[in-house]
Amino acid sequence: SQKIEQNSEALNIQEGKTATLTCNYTNYSPAYLQWYRQDPGRGPVFLLLIRENEKEKRKERLKVTFDTTLKQSLFHITASQPADSATYLCAPIGGATNKLIFGTGTLLAVQP
Amino acid sequence: DVKVTQSSRYLVKRTGEKVFLECVQDMDHENMFWYRQDPGLGLRLIYFSYDVKMKEKGDIPEGYSVSREKKERFSLILESASTNQTSMYLCASSSAQEGEETQYFGPGTRLLVL
Repeated sequence: SQKIEQNSEALNIQEGKTATLTCNYTNYSPAYLQWYRQDPGRGPVFLLLIRENEKEKRKERLKVTFDTTLKQSLFHITASQPADSATYLCAPIGGATNKLIFGTGTLLAVQP
Repeated sequence: DVKVTQSSRYLVKRTGEKVFLECVQDMDHENMFWYRQDPGLGLRLIYFSYDVKMKEKGDIPEGYSVSREKKERFSLILESASTNQTSMYLCASSSAQEGEETQYFGPGTRLLVL
């Protein structure tokens, strides 16, 4: 079955460093993949979408890569700030319903 | 900006009660979704709708039903609430236009079934 895996352990990094979050998917090839940010007690907020024919996408301090051979997407935040602390969700499209399938998310904690 | 609102932030119900969760979006989106989010399981799709009066089952529809009588409103109904339906419920909407697949989420309703 289709599976999305994100590192369930929290990622702790120092302010100013680059945070890299990983999303692996198995048993299918999504046409595109989205990344969302979720703060405690709130709904997810869309950050970036990357399509299968795009290797990399950037938006301000954010960068997403999409390696269809490795079946992996990497999400980078450069010059991280404490305000970047949140849970980040990977969501490739797929499944029996051809809708977004959300990973469980990775909690990022940026220490000042 | 797109706004998706949910009728309640917190709700406490008793086992066996019928529960209605309401969601309203103001961007004329065709698609609307209901998810539940549980620790360690992520967001799971319960039901979605492509248009008024249209509904499709998601990955975990059992124990739930939905209603979409107007384009801007999508309701989730728990016919007879059970304790295993205690969860965070999130509504989302998106446009049906190609290239506009972003989902916009409401703030969520935290439901506790006693």
